[in-house]
Amino acid sequence: QQPVQSPQAVILREGEDAVINCSSSKALYSVHWYRQKHGEAPIFLMILLKGGEQKGHDKISASFNEKKQQSSLYLTASQLSYSGTYFCGTEAQGGSEKLVFGKGTKLTVNP
Amino acid sequence: DSGVTQTPKHLITATGQRVTLRCSPRSGDLSVYWYQQSLDQGLQFLIQYYNGEERAKGNILERFSAQQFPDLHSELNLSSLELGDSALYFCASSVVRGWDEAFFGQGTRLTVV
Repeated sequence: QQPVQSPQAVILREGEDAVINCSSSKALYSVHWYRQKHGEAPIFLMILLKGGEQKGHDKISASFNEKKQQSSLYLTASQLSYSGTYFCGTEAQGGSEKLVFGKGTKLTVNP
Repeated sequence: DSGVTQTPKHLITATGQRVTLRCSPRSGDLSVYWYQQSLDQGLQFLIQYYNGEERAKGNILERFSAQQFPDLHSELNLSSLELGDSALYFCASSVVRGWDEAFFGQGTRLTVV
């Protein structure tokens, strides 16, 4: 089942912070975050695994609440380059290796 | 440049036809994933291969099939094409079998007319 992302869109000024949320109705094994700019391929940001393991870029932070099946992506001191659509992908527990993506959150950072 | 190569970049074909999309993963990557991205459905996982074997299946239609060859490149075959199959098809690759950082190719834009 497709995870739900919120908000659907957000507009920031450079330097402001944003939080993007991802929620699933299923017990999760992992959450993956990607950013896609218009006309480009998605770029990996972070993976969060059940049990606390994380892998991602230094400037990106995220959390994974296993009990609530929720993840949040934290974008601090946003830069113009942060603009794009952010997707979360979730893998249900059981190791199905099927990644289901949310519909995305469009982030626009203005000068 | 992610190191993942997809060909062709653009494809226009008629309904009912069959097409083949090709993907060459990054050097050393054993896993290949196929995704379909359309405006209304977002990013949909289709299928994953690891070292030549199918590992996971997502929302892949029966008209679609894929395979990964011994040299690790992969092909996605789409047949009996319908207008609704028009989308951007991405291939991604990663080193390990399970989910890890995946690198996406630039995609193949398929237009069915």
